Amino acid sequence: AQSVSQHNHHVILSEAASLELGCNYSYGGTVNLFWYVQYPGQHLQLLLKYFSGDPLVKGIKGFEAEFIKSKFSFNLRKPSVQWSDTAEYFCAVNARAGGTSYGKLTFGQGTILTVHP
Amino acid sequence: ETGVTQTPRHLVMGMTNKKSLKCEQHLGHNAMYWYKQSAKKPLELMFVYNFKEQTENNSVPSRFSPECPNSSHLFLHLHTLQPEDSALYLCASSQDLQNTEAFFGQGTRLTVV
Repeated sequence: AQSVSQHNHHVILSEAASLELGCNYSYGGTVNLFWYVQYPGQHLQLLLKYFSGDPLVKGIKGFEAEFIKSKFSFNLRKPSVQWSDTAEYFCAVNARAGGTSYGKLTFGQGTILTVHP
Repeated sequence: ETGVTQTPRHLVMGMTNKKSLKCEQHLGHNAMYWYKQSAKKPLELMFVYNFKEQTENNSVPSRFSPECPNSSHLFLHLHTLQPEDSALYLCASSQDLQNTEAFFGQGTRLTVV
């Protein structure tokens, strides 16, 4: 069964620091990859996604992620965080189940990011 | 607004009650999902519907009963729940099972007493 692992449960940074959140998954086949963010009191929303093509994907609010197939990783990065980036970040993966259909979306346990002004 | 609306936002129910959670999406999507979000645990997929047909039941206890009358509406019927079922229940939709970018509702915070 596929699984997703996020390395850090809680990351604390000061504004302007650089961010990298780790995400590794276990599945050897074709995958779709996602990062979602949940701001305090708000719904989960998509930051960025990778389906195919350029493994470096850019999302909203200056976030980017790089798919490294050989490492089964999809780490999230931002060069300079802001206080407003304080939120919980979820990596998610779903694997091709058959034909062109993908199976269930599996989430990591989430990483809480706290940015101090 | 995500285009996915869940009601109610909060629900407190006793273990002998029967209640239902409702989800509605206005995105023209064909796949809908129920997830459970508990404290300090990853989001757990419960059910998947594609074109109104259930395609996945992730070993969910029978006290949770989903219903999908059409591609825009999804219900989760609850009966004889346990306190450990208290959690945030999230509904999501995606275009289909090929384009799986999921759009989430704000969730129903369920407390079982």
